[in-house]
Amino acid sequence: SYELTQPPSVSVSPGQTASVTCSGDKLGNRYVCWYQQKPGQSPVLVLYQDVKRPSGIPERFSGSNSGNTATLTISGTQPMDEADYYCQAWDSSTVVFGGGTKLTVL
Amino acid sequence: QLQLQESGPGLVKPSETLPLTCTVSGFSINSDYYWGWVRQPPGKGLEYIGSVYHTGNTFYNPSLKSRVTISVDTSKNQVSLKLNSVTAADTAVYYCARQHVFTVYYFDYWGQGILVTASS
Repeated sequence: SYELTQPPSVSVSPGQTASVTCSGDKLGNRYVCWYQQKPGQSPVLVLYQDVKRPSGIPERFSGSNSGNTATLTISGTQPMDEADYYCQAWDSSTVVFGGGTKLTVL
Repeated sequence: QLQLQESGPGLVKPSETLPLTCTVSGFSINSDYYWGWVRQPPGKGLEYIGSVYHTGNTFYNPSLKSRVTISVDTSKNQVSLKLNSVTAADTAVYYCARQHVFTVYYFDYWGQGILVTASS
């Protein structure tokens, strides 16, 4: 079965750029989306189709996907961005989630 | 405003069937979206369960397919999940969500989730 691999944790200082990676075999050939989940809350879609932001998502969230790696980039990271982030793709008629990355802003 | 609300028992005994319902308001299930279920065990990541279209067409996670049935009731604008033979490993928050599945695949609206505990 297809697997997506994320680092368990990433740390970033406020105002700096955070990068969260998601790796999978030939992932660049698929569309990837990203979800943000804060404690006790439901996931929120922050990027879809690799680079598109849903309405209401700040411009500081951006994405890329090439080769075997998709990346969620948060520019000018704010304390409110501290959360778990999950990548997701589609393979063989099923949804695949990455294991999640805890982003700490300190 | 689209809203999804999960409902069902908060406690299920091992070996029994877990039944959950997702009621969609502010939007018709009879549209070009799938309606999916995702779960999250306490302290762990997201796991896809499956999705259903208003025609009844379904997708399932292969690892759960043998125990899962997802169906739709268009007259009530509801989606249902049944998970058979539950064990403690099925203890999780269960979410329903609207899913795009044509060319691009993602969940854009989520319910608040319901915690289900499998325990005797």
